[in-house]
Amino acid sequence: GQSLEQPSEVTAVEGAIVQINCTYQTSGFYGLSWYQQHDGGAPTFLSYNALDGLEETGRFSSFLSRSDSYGYLLLQELQMKDSASYFCAVTDSWGKLQFGAGTQVVVTP
Amino acid sequence: DGGITQSPKYLFRKEGQNVTLSCEQNLNHDAMYWYRQDPGQGLRLIYYSQIVNDFQKGDIAEGYSVSREKKESFPLTVTSAQKNPTAFYLCASSIDLAGKTYEQYFGPGTRLTVT
Repeated sequence: GQSLEQPSEVTAVEGAIVQINCTYQTSGFYGLSWYQQHDGGAPTFLSYNALDGLEETGRFSSFLSRSDSYGYLLLQELQMKDSASYFCAVTDSWGKLQFGAGTQVVVTP
Repeated sequence: DGGITQSPKYLFRKEGQNVTLSCEQNLNHDAMYWYRQDPGQGLRLIYYSQIVNDFQKGDIAEGYSVSREKKESFPLTVTSAQKNPTAFYLCASSIDLAGKTYEQYFGPGTRLTVT
């Protein structure tokens, strides 16, 4: 089976940096993705890591350590619009996604 | 504009009735998926399809059925056998499954309430 763990909620002020950790246990692993979902909306793709290391896309960065079964999403220069739920997801051996329960990020003024 | 459409946005049904949720994509994607999301939880895979006329059960297929008669369409039927059907249903697609494509594109979702 597979399981993913991430914190349920993180609160930070505008302009701050937030790191959302994700640990996973999986029988087959091809990569780790991150998705953002605003309340009532559809998830949107943020990033994907198949190899160890850091991937940077604007204010967001994602990191993967395959040996530690661990990854994180880094949100920099937080803005109010970043208030949303963030999900890590593992791509398994069959190409399917297994999602974590999500981390709600609350950005305060 | 390419994308995924789901209709309706909100759906209300009485217990014991079957209901079909539509999902259409014009992205020319081979793979399509149905997920269920409950409040405060992640997405759980119901069914997925790699090609026309073929589909596979996901983690929570009981009480659901699907068809894939056209590449663009992947409707989901929530049957009366589904014990807790009230949820937010999301349809997604990706270029293909076999190529381990990681990015899935999601529709806006259908919020189903069964009373």
